[in-house]
Amino acid sequence: KAGVTQTPRYLIKTRGQQVTLSCSPISGHRSVSWYQQTPGQGLQFLFEYFSETQRNKGNFPGRFSGRQFSNSRSEMNVSTLELGDSALYLCASHTGTSGRSGELFFGEGSRLTVL
Amino acid sequence: GQNIDQPTEMTATEGAIVQINCTYQTSGFNGLFWYQQHAGEAPTFLSYNVLDGLEEKGRFSSFLSRSKGYSYLLLKELQMKDSASYLCAVSFSGGYQKVTFGTGTKLQVIP
Repeated sequence: KAGVTQTPRYLIKTRGQQVTLSCSPISGHRSVSWYQQTPGQGLQFLFEYFSETQRNKGNFPGRFSGRQFSNSRSEMNVSTLELGDSALYLCASHTGTSGRSGELFFGEGSRLTVL
Repeated sequence: GQNIDQPTEMTATEGAIVQINCTYQTSGFNGLFWYQQHAGEAPTFLSYNVLDGLEEKGRFSSFLSRSKGYSYLLLKELQMKDSASYLCAVSFSGGYQKVTFGTGTKLQVIP
């Protein structure tokens, strides 16, 4: 089955702009999590969506937001971009059910550069 | 906080065995995962531990001690392709999909 698809793969923005990233999870997966990865901080949890509802949220400012659609596809938006937002943004797909939780399937990521 | 600590870098020789340690705060622990991430690629799932003990999967094994807040990933018969970052991740209660990652251990395998 198809894996997790993230678009765009690469993008360059300037400070103050906003950006929207998209993620299509594995078919049948209802949970989508977003992570920010930087060399110094590693993978930082942004938020998780399940059945169109935000179920968990990390410690990021309100400029970072997301949503999930009825087909489980998810988008995240960053407004008023800052230089420090330059990072690899990873989307992870999961079935969303309990049991053997936590096995996340990652997309290739969207690499954002803010100039 | 939910700090997860692991060494930043390690170097090991091809054919050898290497152990990558991970410590975490035990409060609210649900499960522990190891992921492998090659440079420029997405992380891929390696192992999952929820009970104490050793889980073996081919050349890779993962150990967990919940009382000590300690885990390790053991890689045997190292191959050059094992050069990658290894991420320890913990699921804490309060939302089982809020998986917290350590900063990763960059392993370099040398001939």
